[in-house]
Amino acid sequence: AQTVTQSQPEMSVQEAETVTLSCTYDTSESDYYLFWYKQPPSRQMILVIRQEAYKQQNATENRFSVNFQKAAKSFSLKISDSQLGDAAMYFCACINTNAGKSTFGDGTTLTVKP
Amino acid sequence: DTAVSQTPKYLVTQMGNDKSIKCEQNLGHDTMYWYKQDSKKFLKIMFSYNNKELIINETVPNRFSPKSPDKAHLNLHINSLELGDSAVYFCASSQAGRVRYEQYFGPGTRLTVT
Repeated sequence: AQTVTQSQPEMSVQEAETVTLSCTYDTSESDYYLFWYKQPPSRQMILVIRQEAYKQQNATENRFSVNFQKAAKSFSLKISDSQLGDAAMYFCACINTNAGKSTFGDGTTLTVKP
Repeated sequence: DTAVSQTPKYLVTQMGNDKSIKCEQNLGHDTMYWYKQDSKKFLKIMFSYNNKELIINETVPNRFSPKSPDKAHLNLHINSLELGDSAVYFCASSQAGRVRYEQYFGPGTRLTVT
């Protein structure tokens, strides 16, 4: 079975500060991809960042970066210089390429305080 | 240009009715999905279709029947609606083998069963 665990149901951060959202996963597949999605109150699911499991280098997209620890099966998201628009629910996801199975974590609600 | 579209965006109906939700993607992707997001915001995959063929069918009541007339469309038909079917249903698409399997989501359909 493939599982994704987000241990922080809620997090808060002060505007302009840095916050890290945790995610651990478990999969028996050797070839998979990891993603972070953002869901603002509009409910649209927006891709934040992706990481190929075979790449050792951590992915970075502007203020968003990941800390990918493959051996530990950990995939955390760091948001730097937090902005009010970052407030949303964040989902971690694991997609294996063999059967295309995708598993999402339960989400972390991020509040950004002005 | 909407990449993944769903109709309707809102659907209110009574128990026992049959309803359909339509999904279309114009990205040229070969894989489409249906997800259910419940009131606690948990996102669970229901079905996955690749080139019009069902490849993933999670534990979903057989009252739910997906239909894919072509690669660009994946509709969801629900028979004998129950109160517990109330949720937001998301359609998504991806391209296996390239673009790193990232999924593009539709805006969601909020289904309310009364």
